[in-house]
Amino acid sequence: DQQVKQNSPSLSVQEGRISILNCDYTNSMFDYFLWYKKYPAEGPTFLISISSIKDKNEDGRFTVFLNKSAKHLSLHIVPSQPGDSAVYFCAASEWNDMRFGAGTRLTVKP
Amino acid sequence: KAGVTQTPRYLIKTRGQQVTLSCSPISGHRSVSWYQQTPGQGLQFLFEYFSETQRNKGNFPGRFSGRQFSNSRSEMNVSTLELGDSALYLCASREVAGTTYNEQFFGPGTRLTVL
Repeated sequence: DQQVKQNSPSLSVQEGRISILNCDYTNSMFDYFLWYKKYPAEGPTFLISISSIKDKNEDGRFTVFLNKSAKHLSLHIVPSQPGDSAVYFCAASEWNDMRFGAGTRLTVKP
Repeated sequence: KAGVTQTPRYLIKTRGQQVTLSCSPISGHRSVSWYQQTPGQGLQFLFEYFSETQRNKGNFPGRFSGRQFSNSRSEMNVSTLELGDSALYLCASREVAGTTYNEQFFGPGTRLTVL
């Protein structure tokens, strides 16, 4: 069962513009949410996270928004850079159980 | 500190064979988790080991097994390989189990191809 869903397998944006990656979850018990970035031939690396007690967390160009009532989170990258081109995984955890989405491939064009 | 290392990086096997993958966590990390990554399915949790004990297990058949040694290194074994087992197998370590996952670090993965 896919408790975490990333419905867009790919996204293409122009350099300098905003990238918005979306993620939906079904388990209301998830209380911690993360985004990972993965380059080819490398393992995923942690990018940014948010606790369920918050609705926004910002780190430089990256901001994660959480809408608990809609069971939806999003990652905003502003401004997008070509080096941001990667696969982005959304993840949600409840205590010791973490589930990942299928990933969204972001391409930032120069 | 050296990162999480996985060996081998690439592996080709045939159906019915068995395979063992190895993971060395970051020094000092006692928790090791294994994930399977396939296109369209994302990362699916296999199991987590902490202090040589399996703490958590995902929804995979018994053909998938693992173990952890006293030095925290972990191995994952898949018996009677099927074509659908072709995937990237990722290992991740964190200092202790139960901490938030932002402290989990992934290795580069082992790409398994089953023919």
